[in-house]
Amino acid sequence: AQSVTQPDIHITVSEGASLELRCNYSYGATPYLFWYVQSPGQGLQLLLKYFSGDTLVQGIKGFEAEFKRSQSSFNLRKPSVHWSDAAEYFCAVSTWGADGLTFGKGTHLIIQP
Amino acid sequence: NAGVTQTPKFQVLKTGQSMTLQCAQDMNHNSMYWYRQDPGMGLRLIYYSASEGTTDKGEVPNGYNVSRLNKREFSLRLESAAPSQTSVYFCAGDLGGRETQYFGPGTRLLVL
Repeated sequence: AQSVTQPDIHITVSEGASLELRCNYSYGATPYLFWYVQSPGQGLQLLLKYFSGDTLVQGIKGFEAEFKRSQSSFNLRKPSVHWSDAAEYFCAVSTWGADGLTFGKGTHLIIQP
Repeated sequence: NAGVTQTPKFQVLKTGQSMTLQCAQDMNHNSMYWYRQDPGMGLRLIYYSASEGTTDKGEVPNGYNVSRLNKREFSLRLESAAPSQTSVYFCAGDLGGRETQYFGPGTRLLVL
């Protein structure tokens, strides 16, 4: 069965600093990969997704992610964070033969002024 | 377009009571899903409906039932609520075939 690991439960970053959130997946073939963001008390909003092709994908709000097959990773990055980026971030995978998404446990991002 | 909507937004139940969470979408989604979110657990799939007229169990189906009333609506029923079902419930939909899922705003449920 597929699984998703987000190794960092909490990350604290200063406003204006760069950000990288880690995501590793376990699946035999190439999965479809997603990053979602959840602001407090809100639903999930899609930041970006990878299906195939270029391994560097651009998303909304200045985020990007890079798919690395050799490392089974799909890390999320942003060159300069803003206070409004404080939220919970979820990596998810969609695989053939399984309906629904498999989510990581999330990374809580805190922005220091 | 409203997207994916859920009602109610918040509900308090006593142990043993029943209730139905409603979900509707106007995005022409073929597939619909119910997830629960618990602290430190991410989101876990309860039930899904790959198409109108079909439903299947997900990872954590015990204590729940679902109905795909039509293409737009997918409800989740708790027949006898338990404190372990205290959670935030999200409905989602997609066009099928591993496409992007779009989520509703969630229903926060507290079972006392």
